[in-house]
Amino acid sequence: DAGVIQSPRHEVTEMGQEVTLRCKPISGHNSLFWYRQTMMRGLELLIYFNNNVPIDDSGMPEDRFSAKMPNASFSTLKIQPSEPRDSAVYFCASSSWGRGADTQYFGPGTRLTVL
Amino acid sequence: SQELEQSPQSLIVQEGKNLTINCTSSKTLYGLYWYKQKYGEGLIFLMMLQKGGEEKSHEKITAKLDEKKQQSSLHITASQPSHAGIYLCGADHNAGNNRKLIWGLGTSLAVNP
Repeated sequence: DAGVIQSPRHEVTEMGQEVTLRCKPISGHNSLFWYRQTMMRGLELLIYFNNNVPIDDSGMPEDRFSAKMPNASFSTLKIQPSEPRDSAVYFCASSSWGRGADTQYFGPGTRLTVL
Repeated sequence: SQELEQSPQSLIVQEGKNLTINCTSSKTLYGLYWYKQKYGEGLIFLMMLQKGGEEKSHEKITAKLDEKKQQSSLHITASQPSHAGIYLCGADHNAGNNRKLIWGLGTSLAVNP
């Protein structure tokens, strides 16, 4: 299996611009998680989906952040407008919830820099 | 997160030495996950512990869960440069179906050859 795929790997943008991060989970997995990692706050869950339905979005910082999962093989995290404090590494992870050990498998991450 | 404390924050050891990393939860643990991260890469799953007293090993890495203390320890025997990286623990504090994990800030490990 190819593992969780994220794109782009690096993104540099200017404040105020729209940023879209993409994720393809492992085939057959039914849960998808979006995380943000910073030095100060560590790894934080932003939102997670079960069977394409958002279950817990309590970690989404504010209305500037939105996430979608139109089908089982694709999800996006959008930031509009972006701000310098959004600079972080964003990870996507997927798991097979309900089918035994609920281990999350992570993608390589997208390093976002907002100037 | 203060709900999950990792110690030490960083560690430098000589190759061949043993070391232990701890992860302490302020809430009841229903599951504890250990991951390793190298700079610029994603998290690699190491082990998951669910039951008190459970102990798992993979190669030279052993993890144990002390349910009473709400703590897990990760022990590396005869460390090698390949063990270097950031070790993170993730805690499942949910008795129900919520899949949200709380994460420690990580322990940065350097192994000097």
